[in-house]
Amino acid sequence: GQQVMQIPQYQHVQEGEDFTTYCNSSTTLSNIQWYKQRPGGHPVFLIQLVKSGEVKKQKRLTFQFGEAKKNSSLHITATQTTDVGTYFCAGFRPGGGNKLTFGTGTQLKVEL
Amino acid sequence: DGGITQSPKYLFRKEGQNVTLSCEQNLNHDAMYWYRQDPGQGLRLIYYSQIVNDFQKGDIAEGYSVSREKKESFPLTVTSAQKNPTAFYLCASSIRGEKFFGPGTRLTVL
Repeated sequence: GQQVMQIPQYQHVQEGEDFTTYCNSSTTLSNIQWYKQRPGGHPVFLIQLVKSGEVKKQKRLTFQFGEAKKNSSLHITATQTTDVGTYFCAGFRPGGGNKLTFGTGTQLKVEL
Repeated sequence: DGGITQSPKYLFRKEGQNVTLSCEQNLNHDAMYWYRQDPGQGLRLIYYSQIVNDFQKGDIAEGYSVSREKKESFPLTVTSAQKNPTAFYLCASSIRGEKFFGPGTRLTVL
């Protein structure tokens, strides 16, 4: 079945450092979404990427969808303590309907 | 105030008992989902429903059952057949792909 892996599993950074999480699918995706889950909370939708090679920015966050539509990345510039949480990618498989497969997640901790 | 509600936030049950988790949404979304999250892991799909009176098994449906009699409601029953039911259960609804999650129910089976 389809697998979506994320690396790293954990990341500790000092406030102000950059952070990147990578998402890799075993199959081609029709589109990919990113979610953030704060400690003790529920996932919150961040963005959706659809086109091959697409890049989108939200303030300090940059999202990229690979040319082959099998991988994606989220880069945070100059992390802040408010960035703490687990970041999940999630992909739709072509012909898979509304079934979204979540990645394993990257837990980010930001230290002062 | 639109959103998704799940109750209760924490639930304790004895082994061998069935338990039903509620999920209600007033977003007028057709599609609803149940996910299970275990510590340090991603979300795994249990069941989903794209329209009233219809639902499909997800990746880990064994030991669970659902119903979708109303658009607003998608309750999940964790049966005694589920071998490892202790987990964080998240309900979601969606429109145009974007998923809106409820606050979750943390189920502990003693």
